Amino acid sequence: DAKTTQPTSMDCAEGRAANLPCNHSTISGNEYVYWYRQIHSQGPQYIIHGLKNNETNEMASLIITEDRKSSTLILPHATLRDTAVYYCIVIRQGAQKLVFGQGTRLTINP
Amino acid sequence: EPEVTQTPSHQVTQMGQEVILRCVPISNHLYFYWYRQILGQKVEFLVSFYNNEISEKSEIFDDQFSVERPDGSNFTLKIRSTKLEDSAMYFCASSLARRGDGTGELFFGEGSRLTVL
Repeated sequence: DAKTTQPTSMDCAEGRAANLPCNHSTISGNEYVYWYRQIHSQGPQYIIHGLKNNETNEMASLIITEDRKSSTLILPHATLRDTAVYYCIVIRQGAQKLVFGQGTRLTINP
Repeated sequence: EPEVTQTPSHQVTQMGQEVILRCVPISNHLYFYWYRQILGQKVEFLVSFYNNEISEKSEIFDDQFSVERPDGSNFTLKIRSTKLEDSAMYFCASSLARRGDGTGELFFGEGSRLTVL
């Protein structure tokens, strides 16, 4: 599975959009981009995933560049409860396990 | 909303003792997983389970570890003889199916904190 690079930490003001970048320059054609988050010491929570098209759900939007070498997770109106570690994971089609990196520690400030 | 439940939430044990961590996956899910997270470190994959057998395991998952689905609802992780370094948060997860889009969405439980003294 392709390696991902994320900033160690980010801050965002409450109510603003939080944009979390992820680089995955070695991604292959059959690999998907997944985002999970972990609030404090709780179990990881799935957010969104995509292959090459931009995706949106009730939690977030995922923007994948045309060359698929990077992506951005967007939380449109961040709240204090969005403070968490966010993981960008690249995983090939049919693979069974998620490989978590260090992620980005996002802090939402009042 | 359906959820993965884990028990106990916290277990303290003496080194060398056997521990069983229990999980109830979401009822219609077919794939089951155990992950662990040592304090301050990454979430690490341990094992995946499908169709009543292990489908993949990591190097961490040595002979001291075993998993079982003893009935239609529970999924257990057994550590035969615990070591100090087994102290960690253990997360169970389940997913509906291995669809064409990768693993699909994994649903994680809240974890069982194991402390080995």
